[in-house]
Amino acid sequence: DMKVTQMPRYLIKRMGENVLLECGQDMSHETMYWYRQDPGLGLQLIYISYDVDSNSEGDIPKGYRVSRKKREHFSLILDSAKTNQTSVYFCASSSWGGSGQLYFGEGSKLTVL
Amino acid sequence: QQKVQQSPESLIVPEGGMASLNCTSSDRNVDYFWWYRQHSGKSPKMLMSIFSNGEKEEGRFTVHLNKASLHTSLHIRDSQPSDSALYLCAASTNNNNAPRFGAGTKLTVKP
Repeated sequence: DMKVTQMPRYLIKRMGENVLLECGQDMSHETMYWYRQDPGLGLQLIYISYDVDSNSEGDIPKGYRVSRKKREHFSLILDSAKTNQTSVYFCASSSWGGSGQLYFGEGSKLTVL
Repeated sequence: QQKVQQSPESLIVPEGGMASLNCTSSDRNVDYFWWYRQHSGKSPKMLMSIFSNGEKEEGRFTVHLNKASLHTSLHIRDSQPSDSALYLCAASTNNNNAPRFGAGTKLTVKP
């Protein structure tokens, strides 16, 4: 059905708490991504995953880690969240590496107090 | 790290008018350009892609690409209020590289 699903859609955490954002896709895409979007900054790449257990840092990986144990599922973990990690996080997937169209989830809005 | 610059930051056009958006990459290895559209509170959705020099038209939307200058532009004719959105330009290289996005152009179409 060509869908990327993100959970949760909204999340409020206190500084220092751990955060788990989850993403699933039903297209059997090899490549998945995590971006964050802040006003005026566009989408910034946090991590890219080329397949199961094949992950690479993006442009702003500090403070984040990822896990991909199944092709259809990609998690973003924030250990000890900080207030400057308040943002909207988008997961995306694509076929054939970096040259395919990205399909985005609906986003997860994280607020860290 | 590749940078993608978009201009203008914001644009207001009357309904029925023409909107022109610009995008330039700083990476000479870029091979692929996309335009994504993001309505307020929604996720980005791919609008058009262009990989070769020249022009590509789909309905009211036309994209141009000049690979020598790493510049692409999106033109929307007969703009509609439903075209009001954030337009994001993305670029990537041909080595399994993730697309990088510009900051976007916020288009407002006034009825």
